[in-house]
Amino acid sequence: AQTVTQSQPEMSVQEAETVTLSCTYDTSESDYYLFWYKQPPSRQMILVIRQEAYKQQNATENRFSVNFQKAAKSFSLKISDSQLGDAAMYFCAYRPHTQGGSEKLVFGKGTKLTVNP
Amino acid sequence: DTAVSQTPKYLVTQMGNDKSIKCEQNLGHDTMYWYKQDSKKFLKIMFSYNNKELIINETVPNRFSPKSPDKAHLNLHINSLELGDSAVYFCASSRHTDTQYFGPGTRLTVL
Repeated sequence: AQTVTQSQPEMSVQEAETVTLSCTYDTSESDYYLFWYKQPPSRQMILVIRQEAYKQQNATENRFSVNFQKAAKSFSLKISDSQLGDAAMYFCAYRPHTQGGSEKLVFGKGTKLTVNP
Repeated sequence: DTAVSQTPKYLVTQMGNDKSIKCEQNLGHDTMYWYKQDSKKFLKIMFSYNNKELIINETVPNRFSPKSPDKAHLNLHINSLELGDSAVYFCASSRHTDTQYFGPGTRLTVL
């Protein structure tokens, strides 16, 4: 079974600094997707970034970028120029790329990010 | 415009009652999901429907019954509520295997 591990239950960063959240996963599949979702106190789940496993290039979305290491099964999220609004729970998630099969997301336990002014 | 909506946002009820949570998406997606987030914030899939057909049914008590009247709606009915059912329930949708988009969640409290 696929598993996702986020080893940092909590992290903190100073406003305007850079922080990296870690995520590792375990799978025997070769084709899959990886995601980072953000959950602020409003509890809305917001997609931050997505990575297709077949793409070697790391995904970026403005201040958010990932370091995807397929062989190491590692998928870390880097937040640059941290803002107060980045404070939230961050969830790493995995989904196999199957056709007509199970498309469920498997989530890690989350990392709570605090941004200090 | 709301993409994935859920009603109600909050639900407080007594043990033993039956309750329903409704979900609607206006994104034209063909696959919808129910996830449960427990008190430790852990998210886990419960059900998935594709074109009104049940695709995923994780190990969920049969007191939970999803119903999909059409591709845009997926409701969750819970019978004989128990204290352990207290959680936040999220609906999500996707276009087949594409990215899943989540609703705002329903916080269920069973007293």
